[in-house]
Amino acid sequence: AQSVTQLGSHVSVSEGALVLLRCNYSSSVPPYLFWYVQYPNQGLQLLLKYTTGATLVKGINGFEAEFKKSETSFHLTKPSAHMSDAAEYFCAVRITTNAGKSTFGDGTTLTVKP
Amino acid sequence: KAGVTQTPRYLIKTRGQQVTLSCSPISGHRSVSWYQQTPGQGLQFLFEYFSETQRNKGNFPGRFSGRQFSNSRSEMNVSTLELGDSALYLCASSVQGASNEKLFFGSGTQLSVL
Repeated sequence: AQSVTQLGSHVSVSEGALVLLRCNYSSSVPPYLFWYVQYPNQGLQLLLKYTTGATLVKGINGFEAEFKKSETSFHLTKPSAHMSDAAEYFCAVRITTNAGKSTFGDGTTLTVKP
Repeated sequence: KAGVTQTPRYLIKTRGQQVTLSCSPISGHRSVSWYQQTPGQGLQFLFEYFSETQRNKGNFPGRFSGRQFSNSRSEMNVSTLELGDSALYLCASSVQGASNEKLFFGSGTQLSVL
């Protein structure tokens, strides 16, 4: 079984400030971890994913995330927020023993203030 | 390459009716999964199809069903609609449905049950 917890349903930052969105997971086997972004009235699109190898993963739009097995975390960061980053962000986990299923966190809405 | 296409974009139904939603995956993608998105429950996995076979199913009642055709297009059906079925239904596709693959999402079908 697998689960995801996103800490903070709403995060507000100023333009140019650091963005940090938190994600912790629980999994009985090594997980694959994903961050997706959803803009209003749209589906989700992938920001980045961790499968194997390097634990620091770089994604689109300047986002990156670090897989920390000891902390069961996969937090999403961006050094400098842009107004266009305002959206809802979802962390997701998949495991090989549960084919085809992604388990999503409840989402974090990011607001960027001018 | 065309993205994942979901039709219709909006649907309004009344309690007790049934509804069929359609999803056309990206060309070459054989896995199609469905998710229900609501403000209270977040993104919940409904089921996943691969090569016309349901490989995995979430915790939804039997009123929710689906199928996949030989061209990988998928439909989901909800019978005897309830008010609580009002949600955004998202379809996602991937090549094989492997756990390390990213999902490509459609824009969803917004279902309102009155």
